Amino acid sequence: SQQGEEDPQALSIQEGENATMNCSYKTSINNLQWYRQNSGRGLVHLILIRSNEREKHSGRLRVTLDTSKKSSSLLITASRAADTASYFCARSRKNNNDMRFGAGTRLTVKP
Amino acid sequence: GAVVSQHPSWVICKSGTSVKIECRSLDFQATTMFWYRQFPKQSLMLMATSNEGSKATYEQGVEKDKFLINHASLTLSTLTVTSAHPEDSSFYICSARDPSGRTDTQYFGPGTRLTVL
Repeated sequence: SQQGEEDPQALSIQEGENATMNCSYKTSINNLQWYRQNSGRGLVHLILIRSNEREKHSGRLRVTLDTSKKSSSLLITASRAADTASYFCARSRKNNNDMRFGAGTRLTVKP
Repeated sequence: GAVVSQHPSWVICKSGTSVKIECRSLDFQATTMFWYRQFPKQSLMLMATSNEGSKATYEQGVEKDKFLINHASLTLSTLTVTSAHPEDSSFYICSARDPSGRTDTQYFGPGTRLTVL
């Protein structure tokens, strides 16, 4: 990836379980965003968290940010088969003109 | 949310030909658009930043003469892959930032799959 790593690279869970994906980055950031991508499709924006925020929620999604550890996590609660996709974090240092993506986590939710 | 379109959604071409991909912001004006390339099962790699009315800014290792970018209006940026070769086969995705928006979100197009035979 251009500026960060995500783990795990792949995650397989049963429907109803929670899924946690982690993202680390190397430089200081202005904000960090999480995106979802279904196979062969474009990206869908999930959540943006700013450097002065520690946690944000959106429906079944919860994102945390630890700037001291330069890491973020995405938690999907009560997963569904439709959540099967690749999830990417992307960090921006300045005004979002320099967004860099992590390697991504391929999530498979089995029905 | 804002909508970004790409055309074509897929294209197959012969080696040595040039291919143009369009990226449009449909309901907002984008002074800045971005072009990414994604190989199978890999992440998005930023290729270049397209600025309306000025030259694009290319990332290190991206050949500007091979990947021509034109941002002629506030709603359209084009990427032309010149003299395409099989190794250029990839998924090309554009995004646009709405400077008038309340967030820093970039809006992504659906992508264009290029296959060079």
